[in-house]
Amino acid sequence: EVQLVESGGGLVQPGGSLRLSCAASGFTFSSYGMTWVRQAPGKGLQWVSAISDSADSTNYADSVKGRFTISRDNSKNTLYLQMNSLRAEDTAVYYCAKGKGAVVGTLDHWGQGTLVTVSS
Amino acid sequence: EIVLTQSPATLSVSPGERATLSCRASQSVSNSLAWYQQKPGQAPRLLLYDASDRATDIPVRFSGSGSGTDFTLTISSLEPEDFAIYYCQQRSEWPLTFGGGTKVEIK
Repeated sequence: EVQLVESGGGLVQPGGSLRLSCAASGFTFSSYGMTWVRQAPGKGLQWVSAISDSADSTNYADSVKGRFTISRDNSKNTLYLQMNSLRAEDTAVYYCAKGKGAVVGTLDHWGQGTLVTVSS
Repeated sequence: EIVLTQSPATLSVSPGERATLSCRASQSVSNSLAWYQQKPGQAPRLLLYDASDRATDIPVRFSGSGSGTDFTLTISSLEPEDFAIYYCQQRSEWPLTFGGGTKVEIK
């Protein structure tokens, strides 16, 4: 059974940093692209960033480019999102999701999410 | 970026009735479109991919159609557990984008 468990969320002041983690199990992690998607309170889904299976390709939404960094450790079956220079508008539940293939496109499994709140 | 517009925003349907949801893309995405279901307090769940292929364990009452810019998700006979928000998502080009969602509520 595929399992994705996010951690690392919490309350942070504007301008601060957080690192999210997503522990994966139940599939060959190194064979699939992974992504982060966020959802602000009461709002819809917004794609944030994606990384290919071997980490040789990454993509970012314009709203986070230059502030967020996606990475993965295939030896630890873990996906990361380093978030710097956080803003109030980054407040959201952050989901990690597994791609159906080596490059992320369709998201076939999702974690339960971790809440990030940016506030003073 | 490709903008996905979902309609209607809210659909009021009685259990057992048919529901038809629409997703329109600002430019062609071929068949590179997926549909997700999200219930309150839960993560999204993949329903359909490549416009019409059902994901694992998705009931046959869920079907999808369309290509290019116009897509439809049909729920043939609504079950109580189907009342939720539905999102479409394109993977034709970066950035990946989602529609704003259609809430299917009990009439």
